[in-house]
Amino acid sequence: KNQVEQSPQSLIILEGKNCTLQCNYTVSPFSNLRWYKQDTGRGPVSLTIMTFSENTKSNGRYTATLDADTKQSSLHITASQLSDSASYICVVSLTLDSNYQLIWGAGTKLIIKP
Amino acid sequence: DAGVTQSPTHLIKTRGQQVTLRCSPISGHKSVSWYQQVLGQGPQFIFQYYEKEERGRGNFPDRFSARQFPNYSSELNVNALLLGDSALYLCASSTSRLNKNTEAFFGQGTRLTVV
Repeated sequence: KNQVEQSPQSLIILEGKNCTLQCNYTVSPFSNLRWYKQDTGRGPVSLTIMTFSENTKSNGRYTATLDADTKQSSLHITASQLSDSASYICVVSLTLDSNYQLIWGAGTKLIIKP
Repeated sequence: DAGVTQSPTHLIKTRGQQVTLRCSPISGHKSVSWYQQVLGQGPQFIFQYYEKEERGRGNFPDRFSARQFPNYSSELNVNALLLGDSALYLCASSTSRLNKNTEAFFGQGTRLTVV
């Protein structure tokens, strides 16, 4: 079954600290992996898109890693800010019978405290 | 440039009623996808439309239907509402049929509450 699992479910850290969010997937055939940031009650906003051959991709203070062999990805946030408080969702895509599908994780709810 | 716009932003309906949600994609985008996001979970794919034709359908009952208009805007209809239909409904637009190289841009969503 194609699934995306994220951990932890929620995380509270102090402003200025770093954190790492985890994503494990069992999606096949793999097409690419995306990380989204979703503020409460708003639509998701894309942070990174990674293909099979990419190991690391950065977007400002966000750095995503991908290990296609172990089917794991992580999102590292450096020097957290209050505005980083949001849900972070890992999305793995596959192409099956010419149909492109997105398999969404449940997200990690990150709270940054001053 | 306007992003993806959805209306209404909030909606309260009673069980058994019907609801229509609307989405206007980014100008120049021809593909619209609909997602349901229940509180505390990731979005679940409902439909994808491209060039006014249905190109994908998720595992949702026939009470859910959608269409895309010549101007590429879209409507999602849900009949015979159930309490479990309460969710944030997200619309995403992309330039072409969603593939590994296209980016999907999301609207702010419509919060539907069924009482």
